Amino acid sequence: GAVVSQHPSRVICKSGTSVKIECRSLDFQATTMFWYRQFPKQSLMLMATSNEGSKATYEQGVEKDKFLINHASLTLSTLTVTSAHPEDSSFYICSAAGGDYGYTFGSGTRLTVV
Amino acid sequence: TQLLEQSPQFLSIQEGENLTVYCNSSSVFSSLQWYRQEPGEGPVLLVTVVTGGEVKKLKRLTFQFGDARKDSSLHITAAQPGDTGLYLCAQTIYNNNDMRFGAGTRLTVKP
Repeated sequence: GAVVSQHPSRVICKSGTSVKIECRSLDFQATTMFWYRQFPKQSLMLMATSNEGSKATYEQGVEKDKFLINHASLTLSTLTVTSAHPEDSSFYICSAAGGDYGYTFGSGTRLTVV
Repeated sequence: TQLLEQSPQFLSIQEGENLTVYCNSSSVFSSLQWYRQEPGEGPVLLVTVVTGGEVKKLKRLTFQFGDARKDSSLHITAAQPGDTGLYLCAQTIYNNNDMRFGAGTRLTVKP
């Protein structure tokens, strides 16, 4: 089956620093990758959609300069949270879509900004 | 903004009871997925429904897709503590491959 690897699973960073989260499709090519944010006891909220080789499409209210998304290859997308603040602390989840596998989710990254 | 309405948001029941979770949208789904998520993990796909009126069964779970493809339900028979988790419906709509989630139903099954 399709597997999406997301790293790191947990990260703690100081306020003002940047954090990069990687999402890799291990056994299929992901033409589209999605990034979600999930606050405690809430559902997943779509942040942005990225297609390989093109700029990401951000949802309303999501700052593209703060949440930098790069989808440089068919197997890798990265989300960089720039100048992180405590309110950016959340659970970030990627999803990859491609081929016959539908949508496959990563295991998530818990970001804590102190 | 959530395009899907999912209810109830919280459900606490005793082991052995039955329950139903509902998911509704004003848009026609091209497909609808049901996921289950445990704390600290990504969602795990339970089922995808595509055809209006479709019914799928997964052991004690029964999924129905409305004839108009705007609503779906998940019914669990004889719930067990292992069913505890966050159940999410998700939609993809025509001409757009974004997947968006309902608010989720947090189910607790007490032994």
